[in-house]
Amino acid sequence: GEDVEQSLFLSVREGDSSVINCTYTDSSSTYLYWYKQEPGAGLQLLTYIFSNMDMKQDQRLTVLLNKKDKHLSLRIADTQTGDSAIYFCAETLYNNNDMRFGAGTRLTVKP
Amino acid sequence: EAGVAQSPRYKIIEKRQSVAFWCNPISGHATLYWYQQILGQGPKLLIQFQNNGVVDDSQLPKDRFSAERLKGVDSTLKIQPAKLEDSAVYLCASSLKFPDSLSYEQYFGPGTRLTVT
Repeated sequence: GEDVEQSLFLSVREGDSSVINCTYTDSSSTYLYWYKQEPGAGLQLLTYIFSNMDMKQDQRLTVLLNKKDKHLSLRIADTQTGDSAIYFCAETLYNNNDMRFGAGTRLTVKP
Repeated sequence: EAGVAQSPRYKIIEKRQSVAFWCNPISGHATLYWYQQILGQGPKLLIQFQNNGVVDDSQLPKDRFSAERLKGVDSTLKIQPAKLEDSAVYLCASSLKFPDSLSYEQYFGPGTRLTVT
């Protein structure tokens, strides 16, 4: 199975907050990332957090990291229809070149 | 700055045929990656280059897949012969810094969608 797990679907109304959750298994993860993928496009890095941080905020995006539970979340405030996409959680391990991705969460924003 | 370029964007071939994909990373990026993204899954790393040397190809099916980055810039990924299960999007990414640096950001190209019939 996946080392990085995400729920597959999330649907919210425009203007609401979206929270996308991710769990990972390796406690030696150094960086954790959130990527956005729109239809027919490559992955766009939204934000990343170093494993010694608990929270990172960047405009409408808030990342929370709970190392004890190996849980990462991405909160999008005031979600817009343009936020509809697939969001991937990913991790890189200490001394390891491999970036491991979850299967992605498809966010649908309804007007 | 220009992003990661890939071509072709789409390719349809029959099983047992050969196919090649091309990637041009962002100028100055020493590290280049090829990923396979099967529908409904996250990308899976196939191979990673540092300049023109292979850093990690542990998940590359070497009986049919090959990749090269001869001059440390452009890269090609080849499948010969293709199987039905190779149908996927092949993503190329590049990064400026080697992973043991403090920052490790990968920039992705738009991908090549391969359909094997």
